[in-house]
Amino acid sequence: KNEVEQSPQNLTAQEGEFITINCSYSVGISALHWLQQHPGGGIVSLFMLSSGKKKHGRLIATINIQEKHSSLHITASHPRDSAVYICAGNNDMRFGAGTRLTVKP
Amino acid sequence: SAVISQKPSRDICQRGTSLTIQCQVDSQVTMMFWYRQQPGQSLTLIATANQGSEATYESGFVIDKFPISRPNLTFSTLTVSNMSPEDSSIYLCSADRNYNEQFFGPGTRLTVL
Repeated sequence: KNEVEQSPQNLTAQEGEFITINCSYSVGISALHWLQQHPGGGIVSLFMLSSGKKKHGRLIATINIQEKHSSLHITASHPRDSAVYICAGNNDMRFGAGTRLTVKP
Repeated sequence: SAVISQKPSRDICQRGTSLTIQCQVDSQVTMMFWYRQQPGQSLTLIATANQGSEATYESGFVIDKFPISRPNLTFSTLTVSNMSPEDSSIYLCSADRNYNEQFFGPGTRLTVL
């Protein structure tokens, strides 16, 4: 069983929809990363957070360290948001399997 | 933020050969990491590249297969030795500044024939 679980594995949305990707982990971590991987492999670090909520543009990440759960939200989704989104625990960098998001125009 | 570059961006190699991937950071960082992403899989940490000492390898990865150098605080190399088609992956390096921020390189896409 993976120590970091993401859901859903695949997500298809229409442009403009509100999107939520969830991440749960079974090991203790001090912080969690949300990463975005575009086709071709390039990875961008979106957020690193250890408590509460962070917002950057249309992206919002929340975390509850005690409940070992984090969510990534995308408001007003756009086709350019199509990518794989990966969460990772800061300690030992355990990665989730990723959520493949496709936003259709 | 830190900017990380990797060379080469992609390569096609023959079975049995070795390839060295370079990772350059535009500022000094405390930790550098190497990851592998096999087709259809998530990222897996190969090793932590320590400056001035041997790399620390994760379970399933050994120095003979993936020798790593870290000669200074801005540069590291990963060599994939005696390659086989199973080594076809994306290899990524990342850097951690002050144990607080992770920055990822663009990745090296390796195909082994």
